[in-house]
Amino acid sequence: GESVGLHLPTLSVQEGDNSIINCAYSNSASDYFIWYKQESGKGPQFIIDIRSNMDKRQGQRVTVLLNKTVKHLSLQIAATQPGDSAVYFCAERDSGAGSYQLTFGKGTKLSVIP
Amino acid sequence: DTGVSQDPRHKITKRGQNVTFRCDPISEHNRLYWYRQTLGQGPEFLTYFQNEAQLEKSRLLSDRFSAERPKGSFSTLEIQRTEQGDSAMYLCASTQGYEQYFGPGTRLTVT
Repeated sequence: GESVGLHLPTLSVQEGDNSIINCAYSNSASDYFIWYKQESGKGPQFIIDIRSNMDKRQGQRVTVLLNKTVKHLSLQIAATQPGDSAVYFCAERDSGAGSYQLTFGKGTKLSVIP
Repeated sequence: DTGVSQDPRHKITKRGQNVTFRCDPISEHNRLYWYRQTLGQGPEFLTYFQNEAQLEKSRLLSDRFSAERPKGSFSTLEIQRTEQGDSAMYLCASTQGYEQYFGPGTRLTVT
Protein backbone atom coordinates (compact mmCIF):
# COMPACT_ATOMS: atom_id res chain seq x y z
CA GLY A 1 0.00 0.00 0.00
CA GLU A 2 1.00 3.62 -0.13
CA SER A 3 3.13 4.82 2.74
CA VAL A 4 5.47 7.43 4.07
CA GLY A 5 9.04 6.35 4.70
CA LEU A 6 12.38 7.78 5.76
CA HIS A 7 15.74 7.38 4.08
CA LEU A 8 17.90 7.40 7.23
CA PRO A 9 16.93 5.76 10.50
CA THR A 10 19.68 7.50 12.55
CA LEU A 11 21.58 10.73 12.19
CA SER A 12 24.39 12.05 14.37
CA VAL A 13 25.46 15.68 14.05
CA GLN A 14 27.86 17.97 15.87
CA GLU A 15 26.32 20.74 17.94
CA GLY A 16 26.13 23.88 15.85
CA ASP A 17 26.04 22.07 12.53
CA ASN A 18 22.99 21.94 10.29
CA SER A 19 20.87 18.78 10.17
CA ILE A 20 18.92 17.46 7.23
CA ILE A 21 16.32 14.75 7.70
CA ASN A 22 14.75 13.22 4.61
CA CYS A 23 11.44 11.57 3.92
CA ALA A 24 9.95 9.88 0.86
CA TYR A 25 6.23 9.57 0.34
CA SER A 26 4.35 7.55 -2.22
CA ASN A 27 0.75 8.78 -2.06
CA SER A 28 0.54 11.26 -4.90
CA ALA A 29 -2.83 12.42 -3.55
CA SER A 30 -1.28 13.70 -0.31
CA ASP A 31 -1.62 17.45 -0.11
CA TYR A 32 -0.43 18.30 3.38
CA PHE A 33 2.72 17.31 5.22
CA ILE A 34 3.90 17.77 8.78
CA TRP A 35 7.14 17.21 10.64
CA TYR A 36 6.87 16.12 14.24
CA LYS A 37 9.52 15.82 16.94
CA GLN A 38 9.11 13.14 19.58
CA GLU A 39 11.19 12.95 22.72
CA SER A 40 11.37 9.80 24.76
CA GLY A 41 8.14 9.11 26.64
CA LYS A 42 6.30 12.06 25.11
CA GLY A 43 3.77 12.58 22.36
CA PRO A 44 4.74 13.98 18.96
CA GLN A 45 5.30 17.72 18.96
CA PHE A 46 4.49 19.79 15.89
CA ILE A 47 7.51 21.41 14.25
CA ILE A 48 6.44 22.72 10.87
CA ASP A 49 3.98 21.93 8.11
CA ILE A 50 3.67 22.55 4.40
CA ARG A 51 0.86 22.32 1.89
CA SER A 52 1.33 20.83 -1.54
CA ASN A 53 0.97 24.19 -3.27
CA MET A 54 4.26 25.27 -1.70
CA ASP A 55 7.80 23.96 -2.10
CA LYS A 56 9.45 25.63 0.86
CA ARG A 57 8.44 26.91 4.24
CA GLN A 58 10.60 28.38 6.97
CA GLY A 59 10.17 28.54 10.68
CA GLN A 60 12.45 29.36 13.53
CA ARG A 61 15.68 27.46 12.77
CA VAL A 62 13.72 24.95 10.68
CA THR A 63 12.94 24.75 6.99
CA VAL A 64 10.80 22.20 5.20
CA LEU A 65 11.31 21.53 1.50
CA LEU A 66 8.79 19.68 -0.63
CA ASN A 67 9.63 18.20 -4.02
CA LYS A 68 6.43 16.82 -5.49
CA THR A 69 8.13 15.66 -8.65
CA VAL A 70 10.11 13.01 -6.77
CA LYS A 71 7.75 12.82 -3.78
CA HIS A 72 10.40 13.93 -1.33
CA LEU A 73 10.22 15.96 1.85
CA SER A 74 13.09 17.23 3.95
CA LEU A 75 13.51 18.99 7.27
CA GLN A 76 16.49 21.23 7.76
CA ILE A 77 17.48 22.29 11.26
CA ALA A 78 19.96 25.14 11.47
CA ALA A 79 22.59 25.33 14.22
CA THR A 80 21.53 22.05 15.77
CA GLN A 81 21.40 22.08 19.57
CA PRO A 82 21.45 19.26 22.13
CA GLY A 83 17.75 19.92 22.77
CA ASP A 84 17.06 18.92 19.18
CA SER A 85 17.97 15.32 19.99
CA ALA A 86 14.80 13.30 19.41
CA VAL A 87 13.05 11.12 16.86
CA TYR A 88 11.65 13.03 13.92
CA PHE A 89 8.64 11.84 11.94
CA CYS A 90 7.21 13.10 8.72
CA ALA A 91 3.50 12.61 8.21
CA GLU A 92 1.27 13.04 5.22
CA ARG A 93 -2.39 13.66 4.78
CA ASP A 94 -4.73 13.06 1.89
CA SER A 95 -7.50 15.62 2.25
CA GLY A 96 -9.66 13.57 -0.08
CA ALA A 97 -9.71 10.76 2.46
CA GLY A 98 -12.33 12.50 4.55
CA SER A 99 -10.99 11.82 8.00
CA TYR A 100 -7.85 13.88 7.52
CA GLN A 101 -5.90 11.16 9.30
CA LEU A 102 -2.16 11.39 9.25
CA THR A 103 0.05 8.61 7.87
CA PHE A 104 3.43 8.51 9.57
CA GLY A 105 6.78 7.07 8.58
CA LYS A 106 9.07 5.15 10.92
CA GLY A 107 11.11 8.09 12.14
CA THR A 108 14.71 9.25 12.16
CA LYS A 109 16.61 9.46 15.42
CA LEU A 110 18.70 12.62 15.61
CA SER A 111 21.59 12.59 18.07
CA VAL A 112 23.42 15.85 18.69
CA ILE A 113 27.03 15.51 19.81
CA PRO A 114 28.00 18.33 22.24
CA ASP B 1 2.38 21.14 26.70
CA THR B 2 0.02 21.06 23.69
CA GLY B 3 -3.18 21.41 25.68
CA VAL B 4 -4.23 17.82 25.02
CA SER B 5 -4.17 15.65 28.14
CA GLN B 6 -4.36 11.89 28.54
CA ASP B 7 -4.94 9.72 31.57
CA PRO B 8 -3.41 7.54 32.81
CA ARG B 9 0.11 8.09 31.52
CA HIS B 10 1.06 4.50 32.23
CA LYS B 11 -1.01 1.37 32.65
CA ILE B 12 0.19 -2.14 33.45
CA THR B 13 -2.43 -4.83 33.19
CA LYS B 14 -2.64 -8.59 33.04
CA ARG B 15 -3.69 -10.35 29.88
CA GLY B 16 -7.44 -10.71 29.70
CA GLN B 17 -8.25 -7.61 31.74
CA ASN B 18 -10.14 -4.59 30.39
CA VAL B 19 -8.57 -1.14 30.33
CA THR B 20 -9.95 2.32 29.60
CA PHE B 21 -8.01 5.43 28.64
CA ARG B 22 -9.21 9.00 28.61
CA CYS B 23 -8.32 11.91 26.35
CA ASP B 24 -9.19 15.57 26.94
CA PRO B 25 -8.65 17.53 23.71
CA ILE B 26 -8.22 21.26 23.28
CA SER B 27 -11.67 22.57 24.11
CA GLU B 28 -12.55 24.26 20.82
CA HIS B 29 -11.31 21.38 18.65
CA ASN B 30 -14.10 19.44 16.99
CA ARG B 31 -11.98 16.61 15.58
CA LEU B 32 -10.34 14.00 17.79
CA TYR B 33 -8.11 11.11 16.74
CA TRP B 34 -6.72 8.02 18.43
CA TYR B 35 -3.42 6.54 17.23
CA ARG B 36 -1.35 3.61 18.40
CA GLN B 37 2.44 3.65 18.42
CA THR B 38 4.71 0.66 18.94
CA LEU B 39 8.41 0.92 19.70
CA GLY B 40 10.44 2.27 16.81
CA GLN B 41 7.41 2.95 14.65
CA GLY B 42 5.40 5.99 13.78
CA PRO B 43 1.87 6.40 15.12
CA GLU B 44 -0.86 4.45 13.31
CA PHE B 45 -4.39 5.74 12.94
CA LEU B 46 -7.07 3.92 14.92
CA THR B 47 -10.22 6.04 14.84
CA TYR B 48 -11.60 9.53 14.38
CA PHE B 49 -14.42 11.62 15.83
CA GLN B 50 -16.02 14.75 14.50
CA ASN B 51 -17.76 16.18 17.55
CA GLU B 52 -19.52 13.16 19.11
CA ALA B 53 -19.77 11.12 15.91
CA GLN B 54 -17.24 8.35 15.27
CA LEU B 55 -16.76 8.68 11.52
CA GLU B 56 -13.95 6.30 10.71
CA LYS B 57 -12.29 3.24 12.19
CA SER B 58 -9.08 1.61 11.04
CA ARG B 59 -8.94 -2.11 10.39
CA LEU B 60 -6.42 -2.10 13.26
CA LEU B 61 -9.34 -1.46 15.60
CA SER B 62 -10.53 -4.98 16.39
CA ASP B 63 -13.87 -5.80 18.02
CA ARG B 64 -12.15 -5.70 21.39
CA PHE B 65 -11.59 -1.96 20.99
CA SER B 66 -14.29 0.63 21.46
CA ALA B 67 -14.09 4.39 21.56
CA GLU B 68 -16.58 7.03 22.57
CA ARG B 69 -16.85 10.78 22.66
CA PRO B 70 -20.24 11.20 24.31
CA LYS B 71 -20.56 14.98 24.47
CA GLY B 72 -18.13 15.93 21.79
CA SER B 73 -15.53 16.85 24.38
CA PHE B 74 -13.41 14.17 26.09
CA SER B 75 -13.03 10.71 24.60
CA THR B 76 -12.43 7.24 26.00
CA LEU B 77 -10.77 4.24 24.41
CA GLU B 78 -11.54 0.86 25.94
CA ILE B 79 -9.73 -2.38 25.22
CA GLN B 80 -11.46 -5.53 26.35
CA ARG B 81 -9.71 -8.85 27.04
CA THR B 82 -6.27 -7.32 26.55
CA GLU B 83 -3.60 -9.29 24.74
CA GLN B 84 0.17 -8.90 24.87
CA GLY B 85 0.07 -7.54 21.35
CA ASP B 86 -1.94 -4.58 22.64
CA SER B 87 1.15 -3.27 24.45
CA ALA B 88 1.85 0.10 22.89
CA MET B 89 1.61 3.83 23.37
CA TYR B 90 -1.93 5.10 22.73
CA LEU B 91 -1.95 8.67 21.51
CA CYS B 92 -4.79 11.11 21.23
CA ALA B 93 -4.73 14.15 18.95
CA SER B 94 -7.16 16.97 18.31
CA THR B 95 -7.51 19.58 15.61
CA GLN B 96 -9.73 22.36 14.39
CA GLY B 97 -8.08 22.59 10.98
CA TYR B 98 -4.83 21.22 9.66
CA GLU B 99 -2.38 20.80 12.51
CA GLN B 100 -3.02 17.90 14.86
CA TYR B 101 -1.97 18.45 18.46
CA PHE B 102 -0.96 15.31 20.30
CA GLY B 103 -1.29 14.44 23.95
CA PRO B 104 1.51 12.79 25.94
CA GLY B 105 0.07 9.33 25.36
CA THR B 106 -0.85 6.39 27.58
CA ARG B 107 1.78 3.65 27.70
CA LEU B 108 0.04 0.27 28.02
CA THR B 109 1.94 -2.81 29.09
CA VAL B 110 0.10 -6.13 29.03
CA THR B 111 1.83 -8.84 31.06
